[in-house]
Amino acid sequence: DTGVSQDPRHKITKRGQNVTFRCDPISEHNRLYWYRQTLGQGPEFLTYFQNEAQLEKSRLLSDRFSAERPKGSFSTLEIQRTEQGDSAMYLCASSSSGAEAFFGQGTRLTVV
Amino acid sequence: KQEVTQIPAALSVPEGENLVLNCSFTDSAIYNLQWFRQDPGKGLTSLLLIQSSQREQTSGRLNASLDKSSGRSTLYIAASQPGDSATYLCAHAGGTSYGKLTFGQGTILTVHP
Repeated sequence: DTGVSQDPRHKITKRGQNVTFRCDPISEHNRLYWYRQTLGQGPEFLTYFQNEAQLEKSRLLSDRFSAERPKGSFSTLEIQRTEQGDSAMYLCASSSSGAEAFFGQGTRLTVV
Repeated sequence: KQEVTQIPAALSVPEGENLVLNCSFTDSAIYNLQWFRQDPGKGLTSLLLIQSSQREQTSGRLNASLDKSSGRSTLYIAASQPGDSATYLCAHAGGTSYGKLTFGQGTILTVHP
């Protein structure tokens, strides 16, 4: 297994456009997390899936954000009507219950 | 609200020095604590995981300790090398958080030759 994979690595979009990011977790991991990181800050939690169920969402996840994890495998994070404030690194992590979290390389979003 | 604080915010040392990075957290109901390394523009690399029942973990030149009663963890790096230059992040998983991590802002480490 090659670890957590995220696609794309970089995305530049115009304000108002929709974007979608993909995360492929480590195959045997039942837990999947999305975080957002802005420059000079630590990552902030966005949402958590256990298998296919989305069990927790942060208040940071406005109604323009939606995440899915169909069949408990890969996950997608969609941002609708992007704003300049959405520019950040979006990180995906996976883990088994109670175990170490492993992160992907992230998707760097720039909204112009 | 859980808060994680890392001190110092930045550290510059000459190669070969031993150094300590500090992390404090407000929620004593800890499930585990994890230390990560992040290179510029990259994702996070896990360094050490300390479960709540443990007091320390070691990997190579790295040693991390956990003191739940005082709400502190330290990362000790022995014989630092220029390749250790990176941002080091401490992350706390609370007792009922399903492994959700709360991060500190990180310590930016520069090791110069």
